[in-house]
Amino acid sequence: AQTVTQSQPEMSVQEAETVTLSCTYDTSESDYYLFWYKQPPSRQMILVIRQEAYKQQNATENRFSVNFQKAAKSFSLKISDSQLGDAAMYFCAYLSPTGANNLFFGTGTRLTVIP
Amino acid sequence: EPEVTQTPSHQVTQMGQEVILRCVPISNHLYFYWYRQILGQKVEFLVSFYNNEISEKSEIFDDQFSVERPDGSNFTLKIRSTKLEDSAMYFCASSELREINEQYFGPGTRLTVT
Repeated sequence: AQTVTQSQPEMSVQEAETVTLSCTYDTSESDYYLFWYKQPPSRQMILVIRQEAYKQQNATENRFSVNFQKAAKSFSLKISDSQLGDAAMYFCAYLSPTGANNLFFGTGTRLTVIP
Repeated sequence: EPEVTQTPSHQVTQMGQEVILRCVPISNHLYFYWYRQILGQKVEFLVSFYNNEISEKSEIFDDQFSVERPDGSNFTLKIRSTKLEDSAMYFCASSELREINEQYFGPGTRLTVT
């Protein structure tokens, strides 16, 4: 089974600054999908950004961007110009295009934004 | 914007009782999922459902669990005889297609077994 590792249980960032959350994964597949989900205190999981492994270009969504290093099996999330509303748990997730269509989640990183 | 809804938001039950958690997926979605998150732990896959049958299930999804789509809109998770360790947040999700289309999550049901 695929494993997803988030080595930073907690991170903090000053408002308006930039923070990078780390994620690594283990897989033998060459094609797959990676996601970052945000879980605010309301606990609803919200998709932040996704990356297709066959795409070399890093995905970007407004203030959120990823650094996808396929050879290193690394998928970090960069949040620029951090806002108070970015405070949440962030989960990295892996999806295989074959077999079970379920997401494999990491253990999460709790992001605190300091005013 | 369409969204996945779940009821109830919080369910308290006694050990050994049966519970049914309800979800209304997004109307044009074809794939449905249940995940759970024990407090302080990561989100874990339970089961996926397509074309009125289970397509995949994890080792967590034992005989105590069942899923059903009783009508054209609801998707339910039943736990026959709850155990203390079933206490968790249960998330329903749906997706339009099997692959890249993202899974949309509901707000979750917090199940507390006493």
